[in-house]
Amino acid sequence: AQRVTQPEKLLSVFKGAPVELKCNYSYSGSPELFWYVQYSRQRLQLLLRHISRESIKGFTADLNKGETSFHLKKPFAQEEDSAMYYCALRLGKAAGNKLTFGGGTRVLVKP
Amino acid sequence: DTGVSQNPRHKITKRGQNVTFRCDPISEHNRLYWYRQTLGQGPEFLTYFQNEAQLEKSRLLSDRFSAERPKGSFSTLEIQRTEQGDSAMYLCASSLAFTGESTDTQYFGPGTRLTVL
Repeated sequence: AQRVTQPEKLLSVFKGAPVELKCNYSYSGSPELFWYVQYSRQRLQLLLRHISRESIKGFTADLNKGETSFHLKKPFAQEEDSAMYYCALRLGKAAGNKLTFGGGTRVLVKP
Repeated sequence: DTGVSQNPRHKITKRGQNVTFRCDPISEHNRLYWYRQTLGQGPEFLTYFQNEAQLEKSRLLSDRFSAERPKGSFSTLEIQRTEQGDSAMYLCASSLAFTGESTDTQYFGPGTRLTVL
């Protein structure tokens, strides 16, 4: 079965420092990968998806099929980036449309 | 508010009681998903509907759980004979998908937090 692993439960960085959230997945096919974010007292929302290849709020993520990773990066963290981040995988239409989430990484950006 | 809504937001019940949660998706979204999230974990898939048809159920969904989406709009999730292990946040998400498309974005509701005493 597919699995998503986020090895860091908590990342604490200073404002202006780079931040990288790790995400590894186990699946032999070609999944879709997503990053979802949950700010304090807000609902889970999509941050970005690998097929879009875009930068959202300064975040980027590259799908590395060889390493089965989809790490999220931002060169200069801001205090408003403090949130819970979840990496998620979807196998696609043929295998259903459900998302499989990792355990999440809490990011704390200190002033 | 035109987003996904869930009611109630919080539910406290005693073990053995039945509970029902409601999810109202974004208008005209044809897909509706239920997930469960326990403390310190990411959301786990429970089931999903395409219009009124329930197309997939997780093995997490025991016989005590039942979900419906009778008219292809709102959905209900019922848990019978609740157990303490059912305590969790129950999340609903909806999406609009077109035939042949597999890149629909799921929009999440605020969740219903269930506490079983």
